[in-house]
Amino acid sequence: QVQLQESGPGLVKPSQTLSLTCTVSGGSISSGGYHWSWFRQHAGMGLEWFGYIYYSGSTYYNPSLKSRVTISVDTSKNHFSLKLSSVTAADTAVYYCARSVSGHDIFDYWGQGILVTVSS
Amino acid sequence: DIQMTQSPSSLSASLGDRVTITCQASQNIRKNLNWYQQRPGKAPKLLIYDASNLEAGVPSRFSGSGSGTDFTFTISSLQPEDIATYYCQHYDSPPPRLTFGGGTKVEIK
Repeated sequence: QVQLQESGPGLVKPSQTLSLTCTVSGGSISSGGYHWSWFRQHAGMGLEWFGYIYYSGSTYYNPSLKSRVTISVDTSKNHFSLKLSSVTAADTAVYYCARSVSGHDIFDYWGQGILVTVSS
Repeated sequence: DIQMTQSPSSLSASLGDRVTITCQASQNIRKNLNWYQQRPGKAPKLLIYDASNLEAGVPSRFSGSGSGTDFTFTISSLQPEDIATYYCQHYDSPPPRLTFGGGTKVEIK
């Protein structure tokens, strides 16, 4: 059974960089065939997709967030990461990582989510 | 960009009721439409993929139908554990594009 687990600081200061990691267990990122994505959800709102990374390191970013986002992968640690730069209070949200089959953005496994608050 | 209009935004139904949610796309999306359940404080859970395919392990009271621009998600007999917000999600490529519906909050009457 594949499991994803987000980790990182729950509090980030304005203008700093938010950094989160998603550790995958029960399967290997390097086996290929899947895209590894990041989402966020503001309180009471819908889901916002940042983009995804493939095990090779190739990425796709949502154009609406691309300027501040970096997604990377470390296959040796079986995890992938999100960096969001120059954060403001508007970036306060629950952040999720998820898996989809390459070429079919059907998200079959999700992390439990991590609340990140941006505040001084 | 393709817009997904999901309705209703909320509904209240009795246990055992049949519940129907619709999702309309602004243009033909074939069957590239998934449905997710999100219980309060939890991550989304895939229920239906490609419009009508039931994800493994999901109870058969959940179903989906439709193609093109009009899609329907049905709970045949509402159970207490079905209290959640349900989202439709369109996908397409290239380039990758994801669009979620606005969500439907399902409550017990």
